[in-house]
Amino acid sequence: EPEVTQTPSHQVTQMGQEVILRCVPISNHLYFYWYRQILGQKVEFLVSFYNNEISEKSEIFDDQFSVERPDGSNFTLKIRSTKLEDSAMYFCASSVIRGGTEAFFGQGTRLTVV
Amino acid sequence: GESVGLHLPTLSVQEGDNSIINCAYSNSASDYFIWYKQESGKGPQFIIDIRSNMDKRQGQRVTVLLNKTVKHLSLQIAATQPGDSAVYFCAETPSGNTPLVFGKGTRLSVIA
Repeated sequence: EPEVTQTPSHQVTQMGQEVILRCVPISNHLYFYWYRQILGQKVEFLVSFYNNEISEKSEIFDDQFSVERPDGSNFTLKIRSTKLEDSAMYFCASSVIRGGTEAFFGQGTRLTVV
Repeated sequence: GESVGLHLPTLSVQEGDNSIINCAYSNSASDYFIWYKQESGKGPQFIIDIRSNMDKRQGQRVTVLLNKTVKHLSLQIAATQPGDSAVYFCAETPSGNTPLVFGKGTRLSVIA
């Protein structure tokens, strides 16, 4: 069964450092997403990406965040200068159609900023 | 702003009993609703969805009910099993073309 894969599963970084979270979406999917989940809280939308550009982003997705599809398979989320409050689970998702209906989620990357 | 929320944060049920997980939404423009299951250490897993032109949809052991009058969504799990233990999230999107808005989640614990 096809699945979205994310690496690493856990990333610890010092405040102010840059991190890159990686995702390999399902191969025939066209829409890609990043969500985050602060411990014990709800899943929050960050950004959606289609046709090599951002299609929507939330207020959380400020200038410290960027996304990229560097090749035909990877989809990355970069945080330029991490803050303590960036600590969360980050989920990548992909879907065939726009909007995340029946989006498939990866297992997540736990980011810990110390 | 408008949001999706849940009535109960935790729910414990005996194995074999039916479970009902509830969700309230406040965005009257919501058109599409999804239930996700999240097991420990994993990402949200799609369970079942329903559009606003329906009030009930059934899957395998799961049923989603939508009451647009009171803006309420529920997930019913029949004959709950230990493998059903997880956090369940409702999510909505106003048009089906916009990103999902998730509720906070309900933890379901199945007692053997």
